[in-house]
Amino acid sequence: EAQVTQNPRYLITVTGKKLTVTCSQNMNHEYMSWYRQDPGLGLRQIYYSMNVEVTDKGDVPEGYKVSRKEKRNFPLILESPSPNQTSLYFCASSPWTLAYEQYFGPGTRLTVT
Amino acid sequence: SQQGEEDPQALSIQEGENATMNCSYKTSINNLQWYRQNSGRGLVHLILIRSNEREKHSGRLRVTLDTSKKSSSLLITASRAADTASYFCATDAKETSGSRLTFGEGTQLTVNP
Repeated sequence: EAQVTQNPRYLITVTGKKLTVTCSQNMNHEYMSWYRQDPGLGLRQIYYSMNVEVTDKGDVPEGYKVSRKEKRNFPLILESPSPNQTSLYFCASSPWTLAYEQYFGPGTRLTVT
Repeated sequence: SQQGEEDPQALSIQEGENATMNCSYKTSINNLQWYRQNSGRGLVHLILIRSNEREKHSGRLRVTLDTSKKSSSLLITASRAADTASYFCATDAKETSGSRLTFGEGTQLTVNP
């Protein structure tokens, strides 16, 4: 089944403890992106990647890192999580090298205490 | 600030009625996309309309785009309870040339059986 998977789906952690949220797609898509969704703020883009080894900042990149070593995976790294990073995170991919017709993962709900 | 802003924020209708949601944006765009999100789940792409198009249909969905007013509307005809979801517009600004999408805050649609 063509899909974008994220792990974990739910995570409660403490301030400062490094964590990684994995994202994988099995559709051979070029473009991948991370978003966070917060009440009243909609979806905001964190980072995106138009191709392997090519990543760039979105609207809210502070406190996050990404890497794109292979086409299918695009992990999101929080080196030192803080409570203001408590949010619902979505990974998405697109069959184009552009942000068109994105396929979204199921989401990761992160709570940082 | 968000490129796209949806109006109304919430809409409640009866099954069988039509639902219209509006989106306004601020800068010149290459295209505008509409997505649907069922509660807490990943977004699903509905339709993409390019800046040189004025209207597009997909099943019960009709999207219009008025670039002179920087606005778009999504019409869902003959609504069903299963259409209950949040609907987001997302814009691909000319200045970012397809590398990024900017989402609005969404319209929460409730269709009562």
